[in-house]
Amino acid sequence: QKEVEQNSGPLSVPEGAIASLNCTYSDRGSQSFFWYRQYSGKSPELIMFIYSNGDKEDGRFTAQLNKASQYVSLLIRDSQPSDSATYLCAVNYSGAGSYQLTFGKGTKLSVIP
Amino acid sequence: DTGVSQDPRHKITKRGQNVTFRCDPISEHNRLYWYRQTLGQGPEFLTYFQNEAQLEKSRLLSDRFSAERPKGSFSTLEIQRTEQGDSAMYLCASNGGAGQPQHFGDGTRLSIL
Repeated sequence: QKEVEQNSGPLSVPEGAIASLNCTYSDRGSQSFFWYRQYSGKSPELIMFIYSNGDKEDGRFTAQLNKASQYVSLLIRDSQPSDSATYLCAVNYSGAGSYQLTFGKGTKLSVIP
Repeated sequence: DTGVSQDPRHKITKRGQNVTFRCDPISEHNRLYWYRQTLGQGPEFLTYFQNEAQLEKSRLLSDRFSAERPKGSFSTLEIQRTEQGDSAMYLCASNGGAGQPQHFGDGTRLSIL
């Protein structure tokens, strides 16, 4: 059973601070890792993806992957109130022809003005 | 790039009725996925198509659920004899290859009276 764990939050940070969102996964064979942002009542929107160990930066967002520790994180710098949303971690294990994403329950982020 | 399109956006029906949802993926994407999301949970995988072939189905997909992608373009998801527990957001996603990011449509919110 593949599992993805996230702290449900809510995580509250002041405007302009760094928000750090964490995710662990159970399947060592996992190969692709994704972060989605989901506003209330809306569908998930892709924010970042990462395939290799290390950091990947895109604007205010940095994804970090540590396969040895089975850990992936998302840093949001200079947090804005518009970043307030639920952040979903998703993992893909492409072995044996399975291409589905396994999602965590999401971390609710609140950025306080 | 017009994005993934889903129809209808909302569906209200009485218990026991049949419902059908449609998904049009991003035009150049040959892979299409259906997920279901309930309140407070991450999306859960239902089924996956590569072109017109249905290659993977979740154990969540009971025999009341059926999905098709007859010409490898749009897909339909049908739920027969709906039950209260079928109330959820039904999400469709598509991508162009294994491990590539999946892009979601706006979803169809199903409410069972």
